[in-house]
Amino acid sequence: DSGVTQTPKHLITATGQRVTLRCSPRSGDLSVYWYQQSLDQGLQFLIQYYNGEERAKGNILERFSAQQFPDLHSELNLSSLELGDSALYFCASSPGGREGSEQYFGPGTRLTVT
Amino acid sequence: GEDVEQSLFLSVREGDSSVINCTYTDSSSTYLYWYKQEPGAGLQLLTYIFSNMDMKQDQRLTVLLNKKDKHLSLRIADTQTGDSAIYFCAAYYGQNFVFGPGTRLSVLP
Repeated sequence: DSGVTQTPKHLITATGQRVTLRCSPRSGDLSVYWYQQSLDQGLQFLIQYYNGEERAKGNILERFSAQQFPDLHSELNLSSLELGDSALYFCASSPGGREGSEQYFGPGTRLTVT
Repeated sequence: GEDVEQSLFLSVREGDSSVINCTYTDSSSTYLYWYKQEPGAGLQLLTYIFSNMDMKQDQRLTVLLNKKDKHLSLRIADTQTGDSAIYFCAAYYGQNFVFGPGTRLSVLP
């Protein structure tokens, strides 16, 4: 158990809908990272937040947004969902904000868009 | 942009050494990482190397970096069945983490 929690574990929704994925980092960790893992695109870094502020941005679509709240939990919002958004979404946390920090991964949320 | 490539499969016998290779395209990558993913689990950071280093050793793991050829390798000594997993190489480049497709390591008894 990495100490990072993600809810829900599974989510099934229809195209065009909007969903919110939630992540609670390890106690004391200030950074949260979001990743998408799919069969066709592999593992992709989406976005990083550090202590409430956006720190780094990867291949995140405009339909997706994220935020980190004062209690350091983070939410990833996915809107206007398409079939291709079906994937495993991982959250990771680390103590600091710099690259090279050891990232602890949560178990993931499996999103299925039908 | 950065591109990271890996071979997709590797099989070794228990007790042998495993060498997983990775190539990347952008020489400005500052950190290079190796992650392990077991079935149904998230990723576990195994080790990382800064771009000004040539080698890093951590117990059974040895990372070698050839900056000229943009080639990174992960050697696992005395490979065990518990090492069976998918291994991802990743590069930190321009505030972005770019992952390879992963190498599935199968350890045969």
